[in-house]
Amino acid sequence: GENVEQHPSTLSVQEGDSAVIKCTYSDSASNYFPWYKQELGKRPQLIIDIRSNVGEKKDQRIAVTLNKTAKHFSLHITETQPEDSAVYFCAASNAGKAAGNKLTFGGGTRVLVKP
Amino acid sequence: DVKVTQSSRYLVKRTGEKVFLECVQDMDHENMFWYRQDPGLGLRLIYFSYDVKMKEKGDIPEGYSVSREKKERFSLILESASTNQTSMYLCASTSRDEQYFGPGTRLTVT
Repeated sequence: GENVEQHPSTLSVQEGDSAVIKCTYSDSASNYFPWYKQELGKRPQLIIDIRSNVGEKKDQRIAVTLNKTAKHFSLHITETQPEDSAVYFCAASNAGKAAGNKLTFGGGTRVLVKP
Repeated sequence: DVKVTQSSRYLVKRTGEKVFLECVQDMDHENMFWYRQDPGLGLRLIYFSYDVKMKEKGDIPEGYSVSREKKERFSLILESASTNQTSMYLCASTSRDEQYFGPGTRLTVT
């Protein structure tokens, strides 16, 4: 089955700096890669996703890049703000393969933005 | 707005007890999931269901079972709770890609 590894496990950045989280996946058939943000005490929520036919996607201060050959994808947050402090999860799935849209998640990255 | 609710936010049970966790979604989603969340391990899939009365094992199904008798409701059952099942349990539902999560149930087994 799919295996997703996520690094680093914790990341501390100064407000205004950039943050980068990296994930690798094992199943070359995976074609959908979402990122979820979980604020303290709250439920995970989707913040951005990318499909395998696209190399990069941006949404305001966040962007995701995908390298299918190397089987890795990354989340980039620019101009970090205190409200970006949260745990971020990457995930991968083969969206067309099996019923249920099963996701395999990485271990999570705790991001702390210091004012 | 999609709403996914879980029956309890906090639950304390004793070893050997049978535990029921219930999840309800109001968006007519076909697919529902149960995860457990542990620090450093991310979200690990226990079971999922893509239709009423259908279920599939996830990555860590041992010690758990599920039931989906109605489309909106997906129950997780711990037949005989053990201390290593102390965790945060999250339910999610989806019709396509984005998974919508419930608030979670923090289960402590003593």
